[in-house]
Amino acid sequence: KNQVEQSPQSLIILEGKNCTLQCNYTVSPFSNLRWYKQDTGRGPVSLTIMTFSENTKSNGRYTATLDADTKQSSLHITASQLSDSASYICVVTPNYGQNFVFGPGTRLSVLP
Amino acid sequence: KAGVTQTPRYLIKTRGQQVTLSCSPISGHRSVSWYQQTPGQGLQFLFEYFSETQRNKGNFPGRFSGRQFSNSRSEMNVSTLELGDSALYLCASSFSRQGEAFFGQGTRLTVV
Repeated sequence: KNQVEQSPQSLIILEGKNCTLQCNYTVSPFSNLRWYKQDTGRGPVSLTIMTFSENTKSNGRYTATLDADTKQSSLHITASQLSDSASYICVVTPNYGQNFVFGPGTRLSVLP
Repeated sequence: KAGVTQTPRYLIKTRGQQVTLSCSPISGHRSVSWYQQTPGQGLQFLFEYFSETQRNKGNFPGRFSGRQFSNSRSEMNVSTLELGDSALYLCASSFSRQGEAFFGQGTRLTVV
């Protein structure tokens, strides 16, 4: 069964600190993996997208990595800001069947 | 370039009623997917439409239905509403079936 798991479930950090969010998936084969940011009550917004052959992708202070061998991805946030407080969702696109498989998300809170 | 537009943004209905939600995709996008998001739950896939045809369906009862029009606009309908149907309903559009998905702001449905 195609599944995506994320850890931690929630995370609290101080403004200016770095953090890393984890995503483990069983989806195989897959075409790409995405990280989305979702502010409370709003739709998710794409941060990064990586194909199965890519190892890393950056978008400003956000850097995503992908290890297809261990089926793990991480999202690293550098120099966190208060506006980074949101849920971060890992999404994997399988080659067959359902178009997207969503993880449950990690709820990040950045405190001043 | 206009984003994905969902209407209405907020809706309050009583148990047993039915509701229709609307989604206008980004111009040129032919794939539209619908998701339900409840507190504590990740995004739950409802269905996907491409070129007016339902391509995939999630594990939801038959009370949930949808359709897509020739201009790619999509509607979803929920009949005989239950309290548990209270959720944020999100629509996402993409150019191709596995292309990058752009989400709307969602419709917040409250069933009382």
